[in-house]
Amino acid sequence: DAGVTQSPTHLIKTRGQQVTLRCSPKSGHDTVSWYQQALGQGPQFIFQYYEEEERQRGNFPDRFSGHQFPNYSSELNVNALLLGDSALYLCASSRQGAGNTIYFGEGSWLTVV
Amino acid sequence: QQQVKQSPQSLIVQKGGISIINCAYENTAFDYFPWYQQFPGKGPALLIAIRPDVSEKKEGRFTISFNKSAKQFSLHIMDSQPGDSATYFCAASMGSGGYQKVTFGTGTKLQVIP
Repeated sequence: DAGVTQSPTHLIKTRGQQVTLRCSPKSGHDTVSWYQQALGQGPQFIFQYYEEEERQRGNFPDRFSGHQFPNYSSELNVNALLLGDSALYLCASSRQGAGNTIYFGEGSWLTVV
Repeated sequence: QQQVKQSPQSLIVQKGGISIINCAYENTAFDYFPWYQQFPGKGPALLIAIRPDVSEKKEGRFTISFNKSAKQFSLHIMDSQPGDSATYFCAASMGSGGYQKVTFGTGTKLQVIP
């Protein structure tokens, strides 16, 4: 039973560029959330997708956008990258009606130079 | 706005000792309080969780103590082992099923020395 998988694991982008990160949820899960974890900090909630719609959003600018596909996988897009966007981006999945447990992937390390 | 405050920032404990990490929250609407363990280069993994109608929950060497009136909760790791060395995050969330947003504390880096 595969857990939450994310790609790529590491990437380096230049300031001003755009990046797309990908996530496949745990088998049987239908809800995907994205978190940003800066070095030495706790994860910060970006947004959550269910039924291909953004259901909740944290305090992040519109440069951060996402998408969920019919197979429940998800993408996180960040436009006009800033140096401060350098962080570990975590995807978490859960299933509606199955309690509060969410499962995290290993994350995608983004470095903006 | 820091809704979940965690202390200490770092902790060094000898093998066999007790590790204690404390958290406090502000929003009384939170109804689920998980603890996550994160090893370097890995994503957070759920360790143990509690709901506010329970004052204590124990799973193996890990115990959560919860004080609803004080809006505080803590993690106790008994008989700490070098393999427990990791960063621990307390968290709080609200909402049912998958409709929840988890708010994390700032983390505690635990080092267990032999």
